[in-house]
Amino acid sequence: GIQVEQSPPDLILQEGANSTLRCNFSDSVNNLQWFHQNPWGQLINLFYIPSGTKQNGRLSATTVATERYSLLYISSSQTTDSGVYFCAAQNAGGTSYGKLTFGQGTILTVHP
Amino acid sequence: DAGVIQSPRHEVTEMGQEVTLRCKPISGHDYLFWYRQTMMRGLELLIYFNNNVPIDDSGMPEDRFSAKMPNASFSTLKIQPSEPRDSAVYFCASRVQGSYEQYFGPGTRLTVT
Repeated sequence: GIQVEQSPPDLILQEGANSTLRCNFSDSVNNLQWFHQNPWGQLINLFYIPSGTKQNGRLSATTVATERYSLLYISSSQTTDSGVYFCAAQNAGGTSYGKLTFGQGTILTVHP
Repeated sequence: DAGVIQSPRHEVTEMGQEVTLRCKPISGHDYLFWYRQTMMRGLELLIYFNNNVPIDDSGMPEDRFSAKMPNASFSTLKIQPSEPRDSAVYFCASRVQGSYEQYFGPGTRLTVT
């Protein structure tokens, strides 16, 4: 099946700093999603972005499908951005239709 | 518009007991997924349904786990008998035909003592 790798594994920022999280995937995808898991454990949909670029407030994401990676940008970070960020991908073909494979996550800590 | 609903949010049970987790997908969604999150294995798919029919259950860990979807608005994940290693957060997600984007419920945190 598809492999999904995220980097860095953890990141510590001062409030106001910018950051970039990376997600590499091993095969062509028809689905690429970014999630934020908050301290209460809820998985919040950030972006559905199998290709191209999207922006939502201080967050933006870019997926370069031909090079098999996606980036999540967080600008002017706030303490409420803390948590774990997951990338998940679905293979465009093969036998894993319907299956989202998650990366191991990036743990982000933003200090005031 | 209500999202995916899961119950209970927390469950504590003793080893050997039967556990039933419940999920109500978003209305109109054709696909329903059950995931499990543990520290060791991260987030992994257990089983998914399309139009109430199980399509891929290759992620179900063993025969103690079973899942059903009797109608389009309800699914259960049952563990019988439960074991301490089943302790995890179980998520339900759904999506609509024609879009690959999945929406996750709040999860059920299961603790088996």
